[in-house]
Amino acid sequence: DTEVTQTPKHLVMGMTNKKSLKCEQHMGHRAMYWYKQKAKKPPELMFVYSYEKLSINESVPSRFSPECPNSSLLNLHLHALQPEDSALYLCASSRPGQGGRETQYFGPGTRLLVL
Amino acid sequence: AQSVTQLGSHVSVSEGTPVLLRCNYSSSVPPYLFWYVQYPNQGLQLLLKYTSAATLVKGINGFEAEFKKSETSFHLTKPSAHMSDAAEYFCAVSEIGDYKLSFGAGTTVTVRA
Repeated sequence: DTEVTQTPKHLVMGMTNKKSLKCEQHMGHRAMYWYKQKAKKPPELMFVYSYEKLSINESVPSRFSPECPNSSLLNLHLHALQPEDSALYLCASSRPGQGGRETQYFGPGTRLLVL
Repeated sequence: AQSVTQLGSHVSVSEGTPVLLRCNYSSSVPPYLFWYVQYPNQGLQLLLKYTSAATLVKGINGFEAEFKKSETSFHLTKPSAHMSDAAEYFCAVSEIGDYKLSFGAGTTVTVRA
């Protein structure tokens, strides 16, 4: 089973709202990722967690706050977003081992609209 | 540092004809190369990957790709396109020890009946 699940599938929020995106995998993967994807563009890496610790932050604005409560879960907390943050947010995971060697498996994404 | 170039942002083929999607990479060390497919309103699905074993890699849905070091290429092919192949295709490269996937700009495939 190579399934990564994400909830919700769609989210509409105002610029003053606080919301969270959730990602879950039960493949024993110990690296988890958040990507942002705009229409007709490739995914852009936001964060990487390795063994539940934040290892990469691609200079993402603080209105995005990641959290990895355990080895199966990854959250992305959203606060005071801007309309330009509207995008498809993808979660991915990969096996333990040296980064780069392992395949990243992607979830279906959460489509976010900020009004 | 690694990067990927996908030649052709849009490829249109007739059903039953071959598909060729081009990918060239640059990497300072032997790379790992991936092809992903993204259907409308979905996430990315792995088609195939090259990890320094066989240079001809077979993937799902009848796709295959050949790693050519001399040409720094990893082109994706399928002998006979099906309507269900209409999607966005991304080539990606990573280096050992680096969690970052560098994606190409993507190629949109449309299949004509």
